[in-house]
Amino acid sequence: GESVGLHLPTLSVQEGDNSIINCAYSNSASDYFIWYKQESGKGPQFIIDIRSNMDKRQGQRVTVLLNKTVKHLSLQIAATQPGDSAVYFCAAQKDNQGGKLIFGQGTELSVKP
Amino acid sequence: EPEVTQTPSHQVTQMGQEVILRCVPISNHLYFYWYRQILGQKVEFLVSFYNNEISEKSEIFDDQFSVERPDGSNFTLKIRSTKLEDSAMYFCASLWQDGEQFFGPGTRLTVL
Repeated sequence: GESVGLHLPTLSVQEGDNSIINCAYSNSASDYFIWYKQESGKGPQFIIDIRSNMDKRQGQRVTVLLNKTVKHLSLQIAATQPGDSAVYFCAAQKDNQGGKLIFGQGTELSVKP
Repeated sequence: EPEVTQTPSHQVTQMGQEVILRCVPISNHLYFYWYRQILGQKVEFLVSFYNNEISEKSEIFDDQFSVERPDGSNFTLKIRSTKLEDSAMYFCASLWQDGEQFFGPGTRLTVL
């Protein structure tokens, strides 16, 4: 079956540094990917998405890179702030019309002041 | 900004009891979902609902589970006879047509 995984369960960075969180997926039919942020006791919050016809997408302080050849996804956070501390999940979807999301395990990002 | 809401925020129940978790999706959305997250684990898909019927369900979503959209605003998840292993956070999500699924804050279900 399809799986989505993350390379590291925890990541600790200094405030102001850049953070990179990685994710691998198994199903080459996945064509839509989302990064979610989850703070303690809350639901997943959308950060950024990317479709399979793109390899890079930028938002405010965040960039998602997609490498379809090796089925790898990364989230880059520039100038990481204490408020970025949370668990980050990548999720994959086979189609963009209402399909289910397959989530990865999650990486806990800790930002040290 | 529109948001998905869920009630209750925390539900404690005895094993074998029925529970109903409630969600109010974003009003013009067309697709509705339930996911669950066991403590410390990843978010898992349970069921999706579109056009007043289940469009997809996972292996977790067995005969003990059911969903309903009783009116134009609510979306419910019922567990008929809860088991200890049903203890988890349950998230409702909704989607307009494509793109981002919006998640609610979750209901923490504790089965004793």
